[in-house]
Formats: sequence, structure tokens, C-alpha cells
Amino acid sequence: NAGVTQTPKFQVLKTGQSMTLQCAQDMNHEYMSWYRQDPGMGLRLIHYSVGAGITDQGEVPNGYNVSRSTTEDFPLRLLSAAPSQTSVYFCASSRQGNAYEQYFGPGTRLTVT
Amino acid sequence: GENVEQHPSTLSVQEGDSAVIKCTYSDSASNYFPWYKQELGKGPQLIIDIRSNVGEKKDQRIAVTLNKTAKHFSLHITETQPEDSAVYFCAASRGDDKIIFGKGTRLHILP
Repeated sequence: NAGVTQTPKFQVLKTGQSMTLQCAQDMNHEYMSWYRQDPGMGLRLIHYSVGAGITDQGEVPNGYNVSRSTTEDFPLRLLSAAPSQTSVYFCASSRQGNAYEQYFGPGTRLTVT
Repeated sequence: GENVEQHPSTLSVQEGDSAVIKCTYSDSASNYFPWYKQELGKGPQLIIDIRSNVGEKKDQRIAVTLNKTAKHFSLHITETQPEDSAVYFCAASRGDDKIIFGKGTRLHILP
């Protein structure tokens, strides 16, 4: 199993540009989530999904959209990038009801200039 | 709202000494307390967890303790080695689809 995969690994955007961060998992996990990690701020939840067709907002959802058309994929879209979105983004998955056992991807380092 | 406090934010210990990271949580319904290790350039990885019906759990050089009454739990690493250098996150969960992470502790093992 590849586990949780994320692409790209690095990305530089200009302010106002849009892009999609890709996330996929091959463990048939129902629950998927996106976090951003900033120095001193830990892991902050952006959006999450408990299954295909179901998404919900986390702690810091503004400026981001998600969709969940399949169990495997959970892309994160930045609508109009801002310098405040410079961060490292992690996708994670877990079995439903087992949020304590998260499997994280390797991360995407995003810089917005 | 629910919160997990983690201390210290940075910890430096001599190789071979012990390291202790402490967390407190606010949601009394939490009953799963996992610990994650994040190595440089990688995503966090679950290393150990403790359930609310257990006071202590050990796995080789790592031990976790839980005091449900005081809402405290801790990670203890003995005989630290260079590969223990990483960021460690504690977390609390009710066992459903919600998990709250602490802000992390950067552990430096000094030669």
C-alpha cells in the first residue's frame, strides 16, 4: 500500500492565483482531512470528510474549498492565494470512528508571494 | 471549546537522558490519547496511544501515562538517542471522527 500520497511536494504561487493540492489514499478509509502547519501553531484543521459526498469545515476553512467524489481522493482548492496561506499542508486519513489513529501524507510546502 | 495544552514547546536533553512531555485536555469525554512523532520533512506518525481505562502503557523506551481525574497525560522517552530528535504531538479524541492536537514539542537530543 502507498498509504496517503500528496502532490505536489513544493509549490510557489503568486497572490491571486488558484491551485489544487491533491491527496489520495489506498486504505479504503472513510475519514479524510486537511491540516495546515505553521511555526508555533501546531496542526490546524481546514476541512474534513467522513465519506464520499460529505464534507465539513474545520478550524480554519476560509479561502479553501474541498470536495469528496470518491473514497480515495480529497483535493484541497485554494481559490485566490494569499501570503497568509504560505504553510505546509498535510492530508490525513483514518477509519471511521478512529480519528485517534490518523495516517498522514508527506506534506505540500506552499509559498505564496 | 475543547483544547489540548502541551508543554514544553522546546526540550533539549543529553543523549542517554530521559525526556518528558506533558499535556492537559479539557474535554472530559475524551478517551483516546495518541502521540505522534514528526521527523524533519515528513508527516506526523502515530507512535503510541493510551486509552482511558489504562493508567500506563510502555513500548520499549517509550511510556505514556494518563491521569483522567486531573486530565493530564505524559510521554516519557528513556535512554534518548539521536533518532529521537523530532517534533512530538499529543492529542485527545472521543473515539469518533474528531481529534484535537496539542501545539507540539520540538525535542533536541544533544550529543
